[in-house]
Amino acid sequence: DTAVSQTPKYLVTQMGNDKSIKCEQNLGHDTMYWYKQDSKKFLKIMFSYNNKELIINETVPNRFSPKSPDKAHLNLHINSLELGDSAVYFCASSQDPRVGSQGYEAFFGQGTRLTVV
Amino acid sequence: AQKVTQAQTEISVVEKEDVTLDCVYETRDTTYYLFWYKQPPSGELVFLIRRNSFDEQNEISGRYSWNFQKSTSSFNFTITASQVVDSAVYFCALSEAYYGNNRLAFGKGNQVVVIP
Repeated sequence: DTAVSQTPKYLVTQMGNDKSIKCEQNLGHDTMYWYKQDSKKFLKIMFSYNNKELIINETVPNRFSPKSPDKAHLNLHINSLELGDSAVYFCASSQDPRVGSQGYEAFFGQGTRLTVV
Repeated sequence: AQKVTQAQTEISVVEKEDVTLDCVYETRDTTYYLFWYKQPPSGELVFLIRRNSFDEQNEISGRYSWNFQKSTSSFNFTITASQVVDSAVYFCALSEAYYGNNRLAFGKGNQVVVIP
């Protein structure tokens, strides 16, 4: 059973289109994230949700809109795609970092490689 | 502000050699968490280890070992007797407790190439 699953794995689309990436986790975690990995493999957080509530919005363009219908799902919708949006997008989940003082590792999905042409 | 530096970009070793990856971090927080992740050629991100700032005990797990030193703000990672399957990009990451949101700040990664 896949702990964090994203669909699709590959997405090729034209500039200006709108697309969505879906993410689901079956780990029972309360917190979910979206990270972006650019062509140089640099990873940067985009959003974080805890129990459907937005916690982090890391100065991402308004064209990116996360949606969390429940705590096991965090989807990413992108409007008016641009060439610069081409990247690998990773979904992740962790236990609620506000509970306890241990720090919790994030578990990542396999990534969605988005190519805008 | 968080900052994680992995100075070595690409490291090539011959199989069975040891390889050490350096990670230096910056934080103003007194409580923080450090991580290493592995990204093999298949692309997924695999969690390897977490260390809390109040736990400087170093650890060995099979062929992997970690050296955490708060005095030098370093969290280095060593693969002993490397194997071809160790070829991957390794990321060091930092999370600060203050924000309570587990935001991971990643280093730029070390590309490890193990030559058979």
